[in-house]
Amino acid sequence: DTGVSQNPRHKITKRGQNVTFRCDPISEHNRLYWYRQTLGQGPEFLTYFQNEAQLEKSRLLSDRFSAERPKGSFSTLEIQRTEQGDSAMYLCASSLGGVPQHFGDGTRLSIL
Amino acid sequence: GENVEQHPSTLSVQEGDSAVIKCTYSDSASNYFPWYKQELGKGPQLIIDIRSNVGEKKDQRIAVTLNKTAKHFSLHITETQPEDSAVYFCAASQRGGADGLTFGKGTHLIIQP
Repeated sequence: DTGVSQNPRHKITKRGQNVTFRCDPISEHNRLYWYRQTLGQGPEFLTYFQNEAQLEKSRLLSDRFSAERPKGSFSTLEIQRTEQGDSAMYLCASSLGGVPQHFGDGTRLSIL
Repeated sequence: GENVEQHPSTLSVQEGDSAVIKCTYSDSASNYFPWYKQELGKGPQLIIDIRSNVGEKKDQRIAVTLNKTAKHFSLHITETQPEDSAVYFCAASQRGGADGLTFGKGTHLIIQP
């Protein structure tokens, strides 16, 4: 059990660029969750997968946000045409069957 | 949707004293309530959780209590130590936590030596 791994740890990009983050869940965890955390706030749920199926995506912040988990293992979160307001920590969590959710250390996105 | 309120936003206690953090939730269908500890530059780490069919749960110096009628739950830390200093988040979820969690805004706990 090596824990949830997120890459990169920090991403700096210019406004308008596309960015992609990767999450590797704990081995054999079938559920994978994405959250966004802004400064001084708790994590905000975005979307989740059970295996390769995306079961909830209505909470994604806009149509610029999309997520995939093509083979039911790692997942990617993409933000297109980044805006200043997208600057935040993006957290991934995984679980086996539901709870508890184990979080990674996140990817911090900075928009110049 | 669910709304979770957390108080206080900052709590300073002397080392060795107890700390209590309180949360309220709005959706009576919520049935799973975890607490997470987050240190600077790290992701949230689960410290204890409770389901709605249980009123209290303890793990060494940490305990959580749940009042379903009042829709509030609390985290109790006894004999606080410097390493307890961190930001603590409560959360709530329906369906036993299988869906996404709704978090409070966090409590910055400061342990004074």
